[in-house]
Amino acid sequence: NAGVTQTPKFQVLKTGQSMTLQCAQDMNHNSMYWYRQDPGMGLRLIYYSASEGTTDKGEVPNGYNVSRLNKREFSLRLESAAPSQTSVYFCASSEGVRHNQPQHFGDGTRLSIL
Amino acid sequence: AQSVTQLGSHVSVSEGALVLLRCNYSSSVPPYLFWYVQYPNQGLQLLLKYTSAATLVKGINGFEAEFKKSETSFHLTKPSAHMSDAAEYFCAVTLGGDTGRRALTFGSGTRLQVQP
Repeated sequence: NAGVTQTPKFQVLKTGQSMTLQCAQDMNHNSMYWYRQDPGMGLRLIYYSASEGTTDKGEVPNGYNVSRLNKREFSLRLESAAPSQTSVYFCASSEGVRHNQPQHFGDGTRLSIL
Repeated sequence: AQSVTQLGSHVSVSEGALVLLRCNYSSSVPPYLFWYVQYPNQGLQLLLKYTSAATLVKGINGFEAEFKKSETSFHLTKPSAHMSDAAEYFCAVTLGGDTGRRALTFGSGTRLQVQP
C-alpha cells in the first residue's frame, strides 16, 4: 500500500541551488497537488494538476515550477532556492476534482535552504 | 473567497475527557468540509468529510463533526480522549458550485495534547 511516495525525505540546499522534488502515486488518481507547510500557517497550495497534461497555479506559486510527467508522477522544481522556501513540502492526489473526493498525502519532504 | 479559521492553536485535555476542536469557515457557496490529522513526521490522513448528505458526520478513531450552517462551523469532537489522539488536526474547505477552484484551503491547525 504505497499510496503517495515522495522523494527525497530530507534535503539541505544552498541559496541559489536548484532541486526537483519527486512525487508518484499508485492509486490511478487523476488529480495531484503540491503544498507547503509552515508553522502556524497550515498547508498552502503551490500548484495542482487536475488531470494529466494540465497544471494550474495555487496560492503561492512564485519561485516554483511543476511538471505532470504522466498520470502517476508530478514533480516540483525550485530553480534558484531561497531561504524563504525552507519548508515541509507535501504532495497529494485525489480521484478527480469533484468536491467530495478527499486528497491522499505523502509523508513530506523536509527542505532547508541555507 | 473561501477561508477556514481554527480557534486555538493548542488544546490540552486529560485522557478520557471530551475533545472539542473548533473550526469556522467562510464561503460564498455551499462548502465541502474536511478534517485531517497529522502525526509527527507524517503526512495528513483524512478523518472525516462533510459533503451535504448529513450534518453529523462520523469519522475514524471515534471522531465526529457536526456541520452547522447558521454558525458556519464544523467542530470536531470525540467523547473520550486517548493518548494516541495526540497529533495536529487540520480543518479544510473546498467550494461547491462551478467555481473552477477545487483545491483545499486549510486552517492553521490545532495541536492536541493528551495528558495522562
